[in-house]
Amino acid sequence: NAGVTQTPKFRILKIGQSMTLQCTQDMNHNYMYWYRQDPGMGLKLIYYSVGAGITDKGEVPNGYNVSRSTTEDFPLRLELAAPSQTSVYFCASRDSSSGAPQETQYFGPGTRLLVL
Amino acid sequence: QKEVEQDPGPLSVPEGAIVSLNCTYSNSAFQYFMWYRQYSRKGPELLMYTYSSGNKEDGRFTAQVDKSSKYISLFIRDSQPSDSATYLCAMGAPLSSASKIIFGSGTRLSIRP
Repeated sequence: NAGVTQTPKFRILKIGQSMTLQCTQDMNHNYMYWYRQDPGMGLKLIYYSVGAGITDKGEVPNGYNVSRSTTEDFPLRLELAAPSQTSVYFCASRDSSSGAPQETQYFGPGTRLLVL
Repeated sequence: QKEVEQDPGPLSVPEGAIVSLNCTYSNSAFQYFMWYRQYSRKGPELLMYTYSSGNKEDGRFTAQVDKSSKYISLFIRDSQPSDSATYLCAMGAPLSSASKIIFGSGTRLSIRP
């Protein structure tokens, strides 16, 4: 299993541009999450999904959109990039039905985004 | 007040030292307590978890939870340079929507050879 994969690894955007951060997991997990991590600020939840076709806002959703058309994919869309969106973005997934620790989330390697 | 507060560090100790990392929390609903380790330019990975007050040991790592004081700790014995990373505490509540968890801001740890 590849686990959780994210593309691209790094991207520079100009203010006002749009882009989609890709996230794919091959573990058949129901739950998926998008976080952003700013220096010294920990991880903030942007959006999450409990299954295909179901998404909901997290703590910091403004400026982002998501979709979940399949169990495997959970892309994050930035429509009008702003300098405040400069951050490292992590996608995570979790199996809602396994006997593993209930709150274990598996993280991807991250996408570093710089908005200039 | 933040739901989870974590000593920011950075923390630098010599190899072989005992390391103590700490977090406090304010939400009494938290019942699951976790420690994630994050190496530079990598995603966080679960290191330890516990559901109850007391100590849980795994090799050189011990997780301690004191629910009465709303305080959790991670101890690392015989620290190694390979333990150099950022450590994030995380907490969750039963029946929280989509099992969301709240992360601390992370403590950057450096072990000097």
